[in-house]
Amino acid sequence: EAQVTQNPRYLITVTGKKLTVTCSQNMNHEYMSWYRQDPGLGLRQIYYSMNVEVTDKGDVPEGYKVSRKEKRNFPLILESPSPNQTSLYFCASRAREGPYEQYFGPGTRLTVT
Amino acid sequence: DAKTTQPTSMDCAEGRAANLPCNHSTISGNEYVYWYRQIHSQGPQYIIHGLKNNETNEMASLIITEDRKSSTLILPHATLRDTAVYYCIVRADTGANSKLTFGKGITLSVRP
Repeated sequence: EAQVTQNPRYLITVTGKKLTVTCSQNMNHEYMSWYRQDPGLGLRQIYYSMNVEVTDKGDVPEGYKVSRKEKRNFPLILESPSPNQTSLYFCASRAREGPYEQYFGPGTRLTVT
Repeated sequence: DAKTTQPTSMDCAEGRAANLPCNHSTISGNEYVYWYRQIHSQGPQYIIHGLKNNETNEMASLIITEDRKSSTLILPHATLRDTAVYYCIVRADTGANSKLTFGKGITLSVRP
C-alpha cells in the first residue's frame, strides 16, 4: 500500500530537548515536504526537498532542520524545541513528474512545555 | 498561485449529492484546480484535480466553468465519513516546489 508514515504520532517534550520526527514514504517519490498546522493559520510549509541531498526552506523554517540522505526518508529535527513549536506536523510526498497529487502522512502532534 | 474563495460551511443529507463551490477568478492559464480534504486532524487527502475539462474519479467529479473562474466539487452520494474540511487550491505545476497553500476551506457536514 502506498503510504507516508510518521513517527511518533504523539509527543510531549520539554523546552530545549532535541527531538526528531521521522517521515518515510514507499512510493519512490523525489519530492518531500514538511508542514505544520495551527488553528487559524492553516498549513504552512516548513522545509521541502526536491531529491536526495537537495533541501530548501519553506515559509516557516526557523527552529527546524531537515536532512535527505535517502530518497524514502525525510526527518524533521528540532534542535532546541520551544513552546511556539507546539503544533500538528504533516509530512508529504509526491513524484516529480505527474500525477500531481501529494500524499500526506497521518500527522504528529507535538507539545512542547 | 491564484487566490480561491469558498463558503465557510455547508451541509447535506446522507446519500444526497454534495456540491462544493469554489471561486478562482484570477486563475492563470497554466494553473490547475485541486481539491483536497482533511478529516478532523488527519493528514490531508487528495481528491481530484483538473485544468479545464471536467474530471471524474472514484471519489468525486470536478466541474470547471468554461471561463475557468469557478469550479464545483461533486460528491455524488455523500456519507457520514465525508464530513471534513474541503480545500480548493489553484496552482501551476512547474516541477519546482510543490507547496500547497491551504486556505480556510469549506466545512462539509453530512447529516444522517
